[in-house]
Amino acid sequence: GAVVSQHPSRVICKSGTSVKIECRSLDFQATTMFWYRQFPKQSLMLMATSNEGSKATYEQGVEKDKFLINHASLTLSTLTVTSAHPEDSSFYICSAMTSGQETQYFGPGTRLLVL
Amino acid sequence: AQSVTQPDIHITVSEGASLELRCNYSYGATPYLFWYVQSPGQGLQLLLKYFSGDTLVQGIKGFEAEFKRSQSSFNLRKPSVHWSDAAEYFCAVGRVMYSGGGADGLTFGKGTHLIIQP
Repeated sequence: GAVVSQHPSRVICKSGTSVKIECRSLDFQATTMFWYRQFPKQSLMLMATSNEGSKATYEQGVEKDKFLINHASLTLSTLTVTSAHPEDSSFYICSAMTSGQETQYFGPGTRLLVL
Repeated sequence: AQSVTQPDIHITVSEGASLELRCNYSYGATPYLFWYVQSPGQGLQLLLKYFSGDTLVQGIKGFEAEFKRSQSSFNLRKPSVHWSDAAEYFCAVGRVMYSGGGADGLTFGKGTHLIIQP
């Protein structure tokens, strides 16, 4: 149980285009989903917290207009990187959690390369 | 703000030897503490977690960790490592949510890369 999927697993796009990454909880209802970013050989940095039906809460320094997060259902959250630039290239990981619980379950990640 | 320090970037251990990965945290209250493992091409897998109660917690794959409040530490141990344990290990601290219970987003350490020698 507690499986989280992400799609796509990797994506290459041209600078200036937008990319959407999906995060799905497959066997549980995720009232809260989190988006993290991981640079090569570095730690995961929390980008934003997304509660179903509410606006996402962004961490300091994360541009909310650039990283659009939607959490329209209890099993799906999306991260859209708008007008992507090479510096947005990274590994994006989502996690999902049920309300009142303490454990997050992580997706396998999406590797984004912006040319 | 909370923080997590994993002082060892790389650790090399011989197969069959014991292992201890260090983790120190900074948090204003009793934290939620986690150890995750990340293998190449794989997502983060939860090894174990501490919320309250017994300070020695058992996890999967033969791992255990001990919460020491006086030292602000949550070190991960395994008595005998296997070659399949080679991976990146992350310690993380969770913020307590102020409404509805549960934990908020995690703060991760920089990770420790474990290398197993045959």
